[in-house]
Amino acid sequence: GAVVSQHPSWVICKSGTSVKIECRSLDFQATTMFWYRQFPKQSLMLMATSNEGSKATYEQGVEKDKFLINHASLTLSTLTVTSAHPEDSSFYICSARDDGTVMNTEAFFGQGTRLTVV
Amino acid sequence: DQQVKQNSPSLSVQEGRISILNCDYTNSMFDYFLWYKKYPAEGPTFLISISSIKDKNEDGRFTVFLNKSAKHLSLHIVPSQPGDSAVYFCAARGVSGNTPLVFGKGTRLSVIA
Repeated sequence: GAVVSQHPSWVICKSGTSVKIECRSLDFQATTMFWYRQFPKQSLMLMATSNEGSKATYEQGVEKDKFLINHASLTLSTLTVTSAHPEDSSFYICSARDDGTVMNTEAFFGQGTRLTVV
Repeated sequence: DQQVKQNSPSLSVQEGRISILNCDYTNSMFDYFLWYKKYPAEGPTFLISISSIKDKNEDGRFTVFLNKSAKHLSLHIVPSQPGDSAVYFCAARGVSGNTPLVFGKGTRLSVIA
């Protein structure tokens, strides 16, 4: 089945530094990828929709200058948490939908990235 | 305002019995519904889905029922197995293939041996 690889799976960084998270579709092309964030015991909250070759669409309340998204190719989207602070510590998950399948198809998720800012 | 609601945060079921996980939604524009299973520190994995033109979809031990008039869907797992213990998320999507999924808060299922 389709595979989405997310890297790294966990990262610890110091306050004020930036962290880049990669999301790759391994065996399919994905024009659109989605970035979610999950707090403990909470749902998956959509942060932004990443579109290949164009600007990402951010959900209300998500700072686009804080969470930089780059979707430079049909198989790679990156999320950079800039000037990270402890409150950015969370579980970040990406998902991608296969361009080659019919409209109604499940989204495939990466393994998630646990970010801890100290 | 939560558009997809899973009102039971947890559920315990004896091994071999039926697990029923419920989900309600408010947006009548949703036309495709999915269930995902999630283990700690992992991404969700797709389980089963249903289009709004159907009222039932079955895949092995998993069956999803959709009641459009009530804006309610449920996931039945029978027989339940200890390996089914996980958090189950209900998700919904609108007509366009590129709209993001809207998730419920999840229900933690514990299957007791």
